[in-house]
Amino acid sequence: DAKTTQPPSMDCAEGRAANLPCNHSTISGNEYVYWYRQIHSQGPQYIIHGLKNNETNEMASLIITEDRKSSTLILPHATLRDTAVYYCIVRALNTGGFKTIFGAGTRLFVKA
Amino acid sequence: GAVVSQHPSRVICKSGTSVKIECRSLDFQATTMFWYRQFPKQSLMLMATSNEGSKATYEQGVEKDKFLINHASLTLSTLTVTSAHPEDSSFYICSARGDSLNEKLFFGSGTQLSVL
Repeated sequence: DAKTTQPPSMDCAEGRAANLPCNHSTISGNEYVYWYRQIHSQGPQYIIHGLKNNETNEMASLIITEDRKSSTLILPHATLRDTAVYYCIVRALNTGGFKTIFGAGTRLFVKA
Repeated sequence: GAVVSQHPSRVICKSGTSVKIECRSLDFQATTMFWYRQFPKQSLMLMATSNEGSKATYEQGVEKDKFLINHASLTLSTLTVTSAHPEDSSFYICSARGDSLNEKLFFGSGTQLSVL
């Protein structure tokens, strides 16, 4: 699976949009971009995933560049409860035994 | 979304004892389950992959005799930490996937193991 690079930490003001970048310059054509987050002392939570089109759900939006070498997760109106570690993962669906390997992630601090 | 239940959430045990952690998929059949461990302020580290009815596949550096994994049914996988020692103290997390394409992984809430 392709490697991802994320900033180690970011701050965001409550109520503002949080934009979390991810670089995945070695992504393959069959690899999807997944985002998970982990709130302290809990298991990771799925947020969103996409292949090449931008995606939106009730939690977030995912913007993938045309060359697919990077993406941005957008939390449109961050709240204090969005403080967590956010993991960007690229993974093909049917290779490698479906293993999901986590990188270091971005620690997002939402401040009042 | 699908629910993965992990039990217990916290366990404290004496050195040398064995501890079993259960992971259940409550509303879907989990073809594959994964076990992770996480040390404080670090990312999740994949320990092993278990497929229902077959032996688990362990990641490099993970002792299979130390961390026994059983995936006897499509809804239950267990991780047994045998002869636990203080260095095994960690946060253990399971995850499960179903058979549908484009699937997401669903994670349990984790088990904090403290070995005294």
